[in-house]
Amino acid sequence: TQLLEQSPQFLSIQEGENLTVYCNSSSVFSSLQWYRQEPGEGPVLLVTVVTGGEVKKLKRLTFQFGDARKDSSLHITAAQPGDTGLYLCAGGRYNTDKLIFGTGTRLQVFP
Amino acid sequence: DTEVTQTPKHLVMGMTNKKSLKCEQHMGHRAMYWYKQKAKKPPELMFVYSYEKLSINESVPSRFSPECPNSSLLNLHLHALQPEDSALYLCASSLTGGVGDTEAFFGQGTRLTVV
Repeated sequence: TQLLEQSPQFLSIQEGENLTVYCNSSSVFSSLQWYRQEPGEGPVLLVTVVTGGEVKKLKRLTFQFGDARKDSSLHITAAQPGDTGLYLCAGGRYNTDKLIFGTGTRLQVFP
Repeated sequence: DTEVTQTPKHLVMGMTNKKSLKCEQHMGHRAMYWYKQKAKKPPELMFVYSYEKLSINESVPSRFSPECPNSSLLNLHLHALQPEDSALYLCASSLTGGVGDTEAFFGQGTRLTVV
């Protein structure tokens, strides 16, 4: 059972456009992490959000954790070809050793 | 230093071979993980070691055997694999087990092909 569903599954846009990726669950997580992965490489951590309602910004990327800590979103402003990759959310819970990955969103940004 | 180093980067092995994947971190992290990732899919958890003890085995077949010799090293021993085991194998580490409040750092992975 996949606990974290991401949408959209695929996204193909032109450079300069804005986009939002969603990560949804029916379960509560104590933290949500976002990773970006390029082909043949390991996921690279972008951000961790831990407080319900928390918003974090990383240059053109804005991350939000839902108030109930069941969902999260990633918004990219003025996307660039270098943003191309697989975006993964991952949820953690206190007192467990599991990091559960979402289904992934594959982003392609064309020049 | 937030580096997790995996070796080898690529591995081709026959179904009767025995090989090992290695993972190393020097961040003082006490939890280490093995994930398997098939093409166009998210990583799937295989094993977790917390304070050098196996804490999670996600019902992985016994042809995969993990080992944690010390807090910096994690191995995955492979024996009698099947072609469907071909995948990217990822190692990760985090400061402590209980990832509810910590972050996991991943290595670059080992691309395994079973022939």
